[in-house]
Amino acid sequence: DAKTTQPTSMDCAEGRAANLPCNHSTISGNEYVYWYRQIHSQGPQYIIHGLKNNETNEMASLIITEDRKSSTLILPHATLRDTAVYYCIVRVRQEAGKSTFGDGTTLTVKP
Amino acid sequence: SQTIHQWPATLVQPVGSPLSLECTVEGTSNPNLYWYRQAAGRGLQLLFYSVGIGQISSEVPQNLSASRPQDRQFILSSKKLLLSDSGFYLCAWSVLSGANSPLHFGNGTRLTVT
Repeated sequence: DAKTTQPTSMDCAEGRAANLPCNHSTISGNEYVYWYRQIHSQGPQYIIHGLKNNETNEMASLIITEDRKSSTLILPHATLRDTAVYYCIVRVRQEAGKSTFGDGTTLTVKP
Repeated sequence: SQTIHQWPATLVQPVGSPLSLECTVEGTSNPNLYWYRQAAGRGLQLLFYSVGIGQISSEVPQNLSASRPQDRQFILSSKKLLLSDSGFYLCAWSVLSGANSPLHFGNGTRLTVT
């Protein structure tokens, strides 16, 4: 599996866009990028995933660079409830469940 | 819609005692099922996964075992707990390729071995 690198922590002002980066320079052609988040003391929650095209859903947008070596998760209007640990995972889709979660990025949204 | 249930939410057990954590999924058939463990402040480690009844794969050697007696039931067990077994245990499900296959997690069991 491709390894991912994320900043340990980030802050964001409430109401502003939160842009969370992830590097996955060893990603292979059939590996997808998945994002999850974990609010304190809860199970992780799936946010979004993509292969090479940018994706958007009701929670967030995922921007994947053309060379697929990095991606950015965008929360367009961050709220205090978006404070959580965000995990970027790279995995072959058929094995999406067998995912290794690193330490992620702790996003703190401040009023 | 699909739901996943884990219980208990918290558990305190003495060293050497047995363990049984249960996870059930509703609203889907033949899911892939997973047990993860999370140490305080760290990421998740995959312990076991199952693609069907009675089919268990272990990702890391440890003091724990898993069983899947029914399609939507996954059990994590230990005969004798160690202090190092303390942690946050998470059950998850997914479906195979051909569908959207991200993981869906339960709310976890926080186990403290004393």
